[in-house]
Amino acid sequence: AQKVTQAQTEISVVEKEDVTLDCVYETRDTTYYLFWYKQPPSGELVFLIRRNSFDEQNEISGRYSWNFQKSTSSFNFTITASQVVDSAVYFCALSKGTGGGNKLTFGTGTQLKVEL
Amino acid sequence: NAGVTQTPKFRVLKTGQSMTLLCAQDMNHEYMYWYRQDPGMGLRLIHYSVGEGTTAKGEVPDGYNVSRLKKQNFLLGLESAAPSQTSVYFCASSYFPSDTIAKNIQYFGAGTRLSVL
Repeated sequence: AQKVTQAQTEISVVEKEDVTLDCVYETRDTTYYLFWYKQPPSGELVFLIRRNSFDEQNEISGRYSWNFQKSTSSFNFTITASQVVDSAVYFCALSKGTGGGNKLTFGTGTQLKVEL
Repeated sequence: NAGVTQTPKFRVLKTGQSMTLLCAQDMNHEYMYWYRQDPGMGLRLIHYSVGEGTTAKGEVPDGYNVSRLKKQNFLLGLESAAPSQTSVYFCASSYFPSDTIAKNIQYFGAGTRLSVL
């Protein structure tokens, strides 16, 4: 069975601070995909990044960066110089690499509040 | 390009009533999904479909039925609504998975907020 744990239920930071959202996953598959989605107060789910299990290279996209470490089964997300617009619930998710209907197993989400 | 469209956006039902949630996608995606989101529990898969005419159970299928008569539409039905089905429902779709970049990303609709009294 697959499992995703986001231990941080809620994080509050002051604007311009850096913040890291933790994601730990469990799977027996050797091929799998990891995702991050953002859910702003408006409610929709916005895709941020996908990473496959064979690519441990970290990725940076503007103020966002992701650190994938298979050795610790973690896929952490860092926002540099946070802004109020980053306030949202962030979900980490996991899917099988092949078969399984491409289903996503979600973590319970981390509520990020960025205050002025 | 509308992406994934869910109707209705809001609905209030009385216990025992029935209703159907409609999901439509215009991206020619093979796979479609229904999730429910409850506070503190993330999103949980209800049912999914890997193609027209096919459906399969997800993690929490009880009390729901689905149909995929057309590739672009995926319907979620509640035959006899219960207060425990009060939730936000999300539909998503994706391509048939492959190694091609972006092929197995799920794209979500805006959600349907359902209250069962």
